[in-house]
Amino acid sequence: EAAVTQSPRNKVAVTGGKVTLSCNQTNNHNNMYWYRQDTGHGLRLIHYSYGAGSTEKGDIPDGYKASRPSQENFSLILELATPSQTSVYFCASGEQQDTQYFGPGTRLLVL
Amino acid sequence: GEKVEQHESTLSVREGDSAVINCTYTDTASSYFPWYKQEAGKSLHFVIDIRSNVDRKQSQRLIVLLDKKAKRFSLHITATQPEDSAIYFCAASKNNNNNAPRFGAGTKLSVKP
Repeated sequence: EAAVTQSPRNKVAVTGGKVTLSCNQTNNHNNMYWYRQDTGHGLRLIHYSYGAGSTEKGDIPDGYKASRPSQENFSLILELATPSQTSVYFCASGEQQDTQYFGPGTRLLVL
Repeated sequence: GEKVEQHESTLSVREGDSAVINCTYTDTASSYFPWYKQEAGKSLHFVIDIRSNVDRKQSQRLIVLLDKKAKRFSLHITATQPEDSAIYFCAASKNNNNNAPRFGAGTKLSVKP
C-alpha cells in the first residue's frame, strides 16, 4: 500500500515565526504536491515537485517555499507565518495523470 | 491555468437513491479526471477516474461521465448507503510534463437512512 506520512500532525505557531511541514513518501513516485484545504475553497495547490531538486509554484505560492532534497521528502516552509496561513495542509505523491496518494494532513494554527 | 468548478457544495439524498455531483473545467487540454473521497476528519482517498479517451466508466456503484464538448464531468453514486456520506472532490489535469491536478471545492454528500 502506498504510504505518505506528514509531520507534525498538529502545529501551533506564532505570527512571524518559521514553520516547516514535512512529508515523506515510500511510493517512489516522481511527483509530490502540497495543498491546503479551507472551507469553501476545496484543495488549493501551493507547490509541487517532479523530482528531487525541483520545485514548482502552484496557484497560491505566496508566503510559502518548498524543498525537495530527495525522492522521498518534500517540505513546505513558512518563513514568516501569518494567521491567514491557518489551515489544513495535505501532501500527496503520484505519477503524471495517475492516482494521487494523500498524507493524513497537518493542522496548522497561527496565532 | 486550469480551473475546476464543483457545482454542488452540499447534497442530501435518501439511502438507496442516486446522487450526482457535477464538475466543469476550463482547459480543453485537460485529459485526466479523478475523484476523491474525504470522510469526516480524515484524508482524501481515490475512488474513480476517467480519461478523455472514453466518455463513461463504471466501478461497482460509481459511474463517471465525461462530456468533453461541454467540459463537464460528473460522478453518479447509485443505490447510496450511509457510508457514502463524505466530501467528494473532483480534479482535472493535463497531459503535460509536470502538470499538477487542480481540484474543485468539494461536495458534502449526506445520505440519510
